Formats: sequence, structure tokens, C-alpha cells
Amino acid sequence: NAGVTQTPKFQVLKTGQSMTLQCAQDMNHNSMYWYRQDPGMGLRLIYYSASEGTTDKGEVPNGYNVSRLNKREFSLRLESAAPSQTSVYFCASKGRPGGALHFGNGTRLTVT
Amino acid sequence: TQLLEQSPQFLSIQEGENLTVYCNSSSVFSSLQWYRQEPGEGPVLLVTVVTGGEVKKLKRLTFQFGDARKDSSLHITAAQPGDTGLYLCAGAIGNEKLTFGTGTRLTIIP
Repeated sequence: NAGVTQTPKFQVLKTGQSMTLQCAQDMNHNSMYWYRQDPGMGLRLIYYSASEGTTDKGEVPNGYNVSRLNKREFSLRLESAAPSQTSVYFCASKGRPGGALHFGNGTRLTVT
Repeated sequence: TQLLEQSPQFLSIQEGENLTVYCNSSSVFSSLQWYRQEPGEGPVLLVTVVTGGEVKKLKRLTFQFGDARKDSSLHITAAQPGDTGLYLCAGAIGNEKLTFGTGTRLTIIP
């Protein structure tokens, strides 16, 4: 049982380049989330999807887009990367309201 | 704007000592969770508290939810090196969105 799988684990981009972070879960969870983690700021919600076919903005959505491809997969796209988007990105899923978030191991992104 | 403030931000203590970490907000939460995160991994859930005033124990860890459901504390008794990690509180408003605190990085010195 893999849980939540994120790819890639590491990525370096130049300013202006684009990329998509992939996330898949095998727990049949309805809700999926993208967070970014920066030193001293905890985890900040970028976008979430309460169910297949729906997406909503979180605290820091600017510069990002998401796609809930199906129940298993939720991708995060940076169309034109900026140095301020250097961060560790975590995908998470949740099976029920009030339940635990299950996290992947993160993608460390550096934008130069 | 960070809804949840944790204190202290860093804490380094000797093995065997007791400690308390605080999570404070001006918002009311329907539930509050505590997570621990190890280097290179995602956070893992420790506990969920739902009722104001609720106290939950997990071995040497005691979690309390404030009466007004705006704050929470985590108390560790007789800390051990295995307790080292980043502790994060997270509050739920409604059913779907969890807002995380700023984190407390705990180091237990053997």
C-alpha cells in the first residue's frame, strides 16, 4: 500500500519555466490537497479538491493551477516559475471530514 | 496572515525533561489536529481533538483543546530523543480546509 506518491522528489527550474508536480493516492480518498512548506511558516494551503471534478483555492493560489484528473490523481502546475516559488511541496489526501491528512514525502523545488 | 501561531518556534531540551508547546488563534475551530514531521517526510497525524476542554493522552504526550476551541497545547513528559521532530497543529474550519500552525521544532538532547 503506497499511500500518497509524489513525483518528482527534486526539481530545479529557471525563472519562467513551467512544470507539473504529480500526486496519486491509492486509498480511495475523496479529498486531495496541495501545500507548500517554507521555513518558519508551517504548511500553507495552495489548492484543494473536495471531490473528483471540483477544485478550490486555498491561502496562496497565485501562480499555480491544479487539475483533479480522476479520484486518484491531483496535479499542481506552475506555468511560469518564480524564485518565490522555491519551496517544498506536499500533496495530501483525506478520506472523510475531520479525518487525518495523509501526506506524500514532498517535492523539493528550487527556482533560480 | 497566519491564523495559528505556535510557541516556541524552537525548543532544545535534555532527555528526561518535560515540555509544553502551545498553539493559539483568534479563530474558533471545529476540530484541531497535531502532526509530527520527520526530516524528508510528510507530517503524520498524532491526534484529533474535537470538544472544547477535551484532553487526550498518547503515551507520554498529552493534548488539550481549549474551552473556547481557539487554542491547544501539547505536553510531553520525560522527553526522549525519539520525540525530536517538527510539531504542527492544524485547525479545521468546516469539514475540508485545514490551516496549519507555524510549527515547533523540538530537539531532545541525549
